[in-house]
Amino acid sequence: GAVVSQHPSWVICKSGTSVKIECRSLDFQATTMFWYRQFPKQSLMLMATSNEGSKATYEQGVEKDKFLINHASLTLSTLTVTSAHPEDSSFYICSARTSGRAYEQYFGPGTRLTVT
Amino acid sequence: GQNIDQPTEMTATEGAIVQINCTYQTSGFNGLFWYQQHAGEAPTFLSYNVLDGLEEKGRFSSFLSRSKGYSYLLLKELQMKDSASYLCAVIDSNYQLIWGAGTKLIIKP
Repeated sequence: GAVVSQHPSWVICKSGTSVKIECRSLDFQATTMFWYRQFPKQSLMLMATSNEGSKATYEQGVEKDKFLINHASLTLSTLTVTSAHPEDSSFYICSARTSGRAYEQYFGPGTRLTVT
Repeated sequence: GQNIDQPTEMTATEGAIVQINCTYQTSGFNGLFWYQQHAGEAPTFLSYNVLDGLEEKGRFSSFLSRSKGYSYLLLKELQMKDSASYLCAVIDSNYQLIWGAGTKLIIKP
């Protein structure tokens, strides 16, 4: 149990375009979802926390108008990278937490974004 | 500020035992996680400690001392597939996960 999927697993886009990444909890209801970014050889960096039905809470330094997060249901959250630039190229990982197991996060497989 | 320290890289031999240490200074404590992350993949859950002591799970064990702000992950009977980064993360008083930078473990034959 506790499976989280992400789609797409990798994407290449041109500079200036927007990319949407989906994160789904497949067999549980995710009251909270987290979006992370990870650059090569670095640790995870939390970008934002989203609770179902409410606005996401962004970490300091993360532009909320650039990284749009929507958590419309208990099983789906989306991250849209708007007007992507090459420096946005990174590994984006979502994780989900259910209220029943408040301390454990389940990670999706990640999405590798390359902006050319 | 909040801080989690773990060694950057460790090397061990196949079949041996290795201990990866993690020390933390956080505003509050609601538990400590260890995750394994292979290159290019998302982290996978290994263990969760909230009480002092040793938790054993197969070849992997995790220890916690809250008074010392210290944890370790012990890997026994090392296999080549254990080559990965091991991430220590602490839940603070706001229930936020604070991540260490990870320890890259290299297993040699």
